[in-house]
Amino acid sequence: DVKVTQSSRYLVKRTGEKVFLECVQDMDHENMFWYRQDPGLGLRLIYFSYDVKMKEKGDIPEGYSVSREKKERFSLILESASTNQTSMYLCASSTGSETQYFGPGTRLLVL
Amino acid sequence: GEDVEQSLFLSVREGDSSVINCTYTDSSSTYLYWYKQEPGAGLQLLTYIFSNMDMKQDQRLTVLLNKKDKHLSLRIADTQTGDSAIYFCAVGVPSGSARQLTFGSGTQLTVLP
Repeated sequence: DVKVTQSSRYLVKRTGEKVFLECVQDMDHENMFWYRQDPGLGLRLIYFSYDVKMKEKGDIPEGYSVSREKKERFSLILESASTNQTSMYLCASSTGSETQYFGPGTRLLVL
Repeated sequence: GEDVEQSLFLSVREGDSSVINCTYTDSSSTYLYWYKQEPGAGLQLLTYIFSNMDMKQDQRLTVLLNKKDKHLSLRIADTQTGDSAIYFCAVGVPSGSARQLTFGSGTQLTVLP
């Protein structure tokens, strides 16, 4: 079974704080993805990575950065959190095909 | 880019069939997916269909694909209260470096007793 884990289920941060969201997968997948999910908007792709140290912008990269130093780990960084980044963040991974496997999500509240 | 549309809400009575519909714009998609999200959880892959198929059945789930109309549907037979969740349609698109999925907005299915 593919397992994708995320470091926190719930997180509360203050405006201006630097926030790290961690994602780990145990299936040696090349591709990893970060999405945010907001009601009525579905999932929107923030960044993805197709190899170690490689990254590409998704549809809404502004205000975010990512890091992939090891194949199994993909981090999402909010350099200076803002209230409009309050959301559910979902990590996913995939191998050569398109099928993506998701983690349980991190619900982030920025006050 | 790819656009995937779903209605936001569907209510059915327990024991009835549910049909969740999805339309998409990119005809080059290879696989089309249905994911299920229960409250507070991540997305769980339910089923998928290859673009050269018209139908796929998996126990209570039936996926129908009409490529001409770019229409995908998910039918759940004998819907149970445990089927209450958000259902996302997703379409695979080539991106150059990694195949991506474009998701619809999700359909909230409510099963009434």
